[in-house]
Amino acid sequence: DAKTTQPNSMESNEEEPVHLPCNHSTISGTDYIHWYRQLPSQGPEYVIHGLTSNVNNRMASLAIAEDRKSSTLILHRATLRDAAVYYCILRGFSGNTGKLIFGQGTTLQVKP
Amino acid sequence: DGGITQSPKYLFRKEGQNVTLSCEQNLNHDAMYWYRQDPGQGLRLIYYSQIVNDFQKGDIAEGYSVSREKKESFPLTVTSAQKNPTAFYLCASRNGQERFGNEKLFFGSGTQLSVL
Repeated sequence: DAKTTQPNSMESNEEEPVHLPCNHSTISGTDYIHWYRQLPSQGPEYVIHGLTSNVNNRMASLAIAEDRKSSTLILHRATLRDAAVYYCILRGFSGNTGKLIFGQGTTLQVKP
Repeated sequence: DGGITQSPKYLFRKEGQNVTLSCEQNLNHDAMYWYRQDPGQGLRLIYYSQIVNDFQKGDIAEGYSVSREKKESFPLTVTSAQKNPTAFYLCASRNGQERFGNEKLFFGSGTQLSVL
């Protein structure tokens, strides 16, 4: 699977939008972009995923660059409960085992 | 409510002892996974199973063993051969019928294993 690069940490103020970047310059045409987040002492939870077009769901939005070499997870209004580690993952076709490779992610701090 | 249950939440292992971590899911998912997480690090894949009675090694399988006798259950045994077992262990599952690229992993709340 291709590699992703994320900042180690970011800070945000409560009720402001947050843009979490992810670079994946070696992405292949069939790689999907997945985002998960992990709250303290919990297992990761799925946030959103996409292939080429921007995606929206109740948790967040995913903006994918036209060349697909980068993407941005957008939290429209950060709350204290959004403080977590956010993982950007490329889902490539690896024999369809469903394996996901989790890097170190971005630790998001939300200040009141 | 459907979900994944891991137990116990905290586990302590003595030197030379084998311990087993439980993972049960009632989501009717075909595939199950075990990951290990060290402090401040990402997740590393230990073992995975795509179907009952079949499983494959992940990236760090040495010192671990698994079984998949039932669809709902995927226990992980940390053997005495695992010299550095202290970590947070996470079990996950996914619906094997989802189309490629759209698969979502569902995780349990983890087991923290420490060595006495």
